[in-house]
Amino acid sequence: DQQVKQNSPSLSVQEGRISILNCDYTNSMFDYFLWYKKYPAEGPTFLISISSIKDKNEDGRFTVFLNKSAKHLSLHIVPSQPGDSAVYFCAARGSFKTIFGAGTRLFVKA
Amino acid sequence: DTGVSQDPRHKITKRGQNVTFRCDPISEHNRLYWYRQTLGQGPEFLTYFQNEAQLEKSRLLSDRFSAERPKGSFSTLEIQRTEQGDSAMYLCASSQSRDRAEKLFFGSGTQLSVL
Repeated sequence: DQQVKQNSPSLSVQEGRISILNCDYTNSMFDYFLWYKKYPAEGPTFLISISSIKDKNEDGRFTVFLNKSAKHLSLHIVPSQPGDSAVYFCAARGSFKTIFGAGTRLFVKA
Repeated sequence: DTGVSQDPRHKITKRGQNVTFRCDPISEHNRLYWYRQTLGQGPEFLTYFQNEAQLEKSRLLSDRFSAERPKGSFSTLEIQRTEQGDSAMYLCASSQSRDRAEKLFFGSGTQLSVL
């Protein structure tokens, strides 16, 4: 039972353009949504979060949008940089635990 | 400010052997999580501690797996009678309960290979 789904295994974007990573969830009881970034041989690192009562949160080049009616969130990175190339995990916080999607591998081409 | 550390980084074992992993969380964090990640998947929740109390354990976790967090500091995860299906990256994360979003801080993981 996948409660958090990332349907795109990979995404390739040109440097300087916008990267949009998508995520869908099924449980309306989640209270926070988070994005994590993972480089090879390292653990995931926190990137940005959004409360379920908000629809947008921005931090520098990163913006997360939440559409509760559609149970959908997206992460926008603009402008994309080669150093953004990594695996991005969408995550949702429920009671006492955080559930992760399968991840989207982002390639930013110089 | 030291992050979450895990030991060992890699472990190769034969099927049927027992293995134990250690996690040292960020010192002021009272919550500690164990996750497992396999290739192409996201981290999968295994178990969770608040201080020294183990408050939740995944139904997917067989009784061959046990975790402890004595005195609410470091934690150990033991797998008894390992099977080839146990091969995965085992990730530890810690967090602070007063953080409403509860950002998780992960270690670099222990890569287990069961031959």
